[in-house]
Amino acid sequence: GDSVTQMEGPVTLSEEAFLTINCTYTATGYPSLFWYVQYPGEGLQLLLKATKADDKGSNKGFEATYRKETTSFHLEKGSVQVSDSAVYFCALSDRGFGNEKLTFGTGTRLTIIP
Amino acid sequence: DSGVTQTPKHLITATGQRVTLRCSPRSGDLSVYWYQQSLDQGLQFLIQYYNGEERAKGNILERFSAQQFPDLHSELNLSSLELGDSALYFCASSVSRDIQGADTQYFGPGTRLTVL
Repeated sequence: GDSVTQMEGPVTLSEEAFLTINCTYTATGYPSLFWYVQYPGEGLQLLLKATKADDKGSNKGFEATYRKETTSFHLEKGSVQVSDSAVYFCALSDRGFGNEKLTFGTGTRLTIIP
Repeated sequence: DSGVTQTPKHLITATGQRVTLRCSPRSGDLSVYWYQQSLDQGLQFLIQYYNGEERAKGNILERFSAQQFPDLHSELNLSSLELGDSALYFCASSVSRDIQGADTQYFGPGTRLTVL
């Protein structure tokens, strides 16, 4: 079945550091890929998504590129801020009737220190 | 604000009891999904309803059931509760258009269930 493997956390960085959170996937079909973020005490918010190979999703300075050849969707940000502290989830969704469920990675807790 | 509402926000109950969690999807969304977030299992898909009909089922226990009503709101019923059912339960909704590229799922704030 489908699965998502995420970089183990927690990750602690200094403000303005470069961020990479690795994500690889296994899917039988041709999935869409997502990054969701969960701030303390809140629900999940979509951060970015990509629906086909070589697509780049971007939002709030975060980027991720859908790499079919390496089955990866790594999250990057050039300069993190304290407000980026949260838990980040990589997820995939297959296509077609009845296959829309999201399969999530384990989540990576990110803490940014001033 | 995602536009998805969930009630109640917190629920504390005892083992063996039954509870109902409620979800109202975003206006215009036909699909409702339920997910469970726990420390040991992570985020797991439970069940999806589309326009009142069950569309997909995940790792949902037989003690759990759901339905989607004509106004598209959904309820998740959990019965014979056990300590291990303590978790955060999220509802999400999407348009669900069945075209190339999965629709974005928008998540509610969750219901935190504590079973004592």
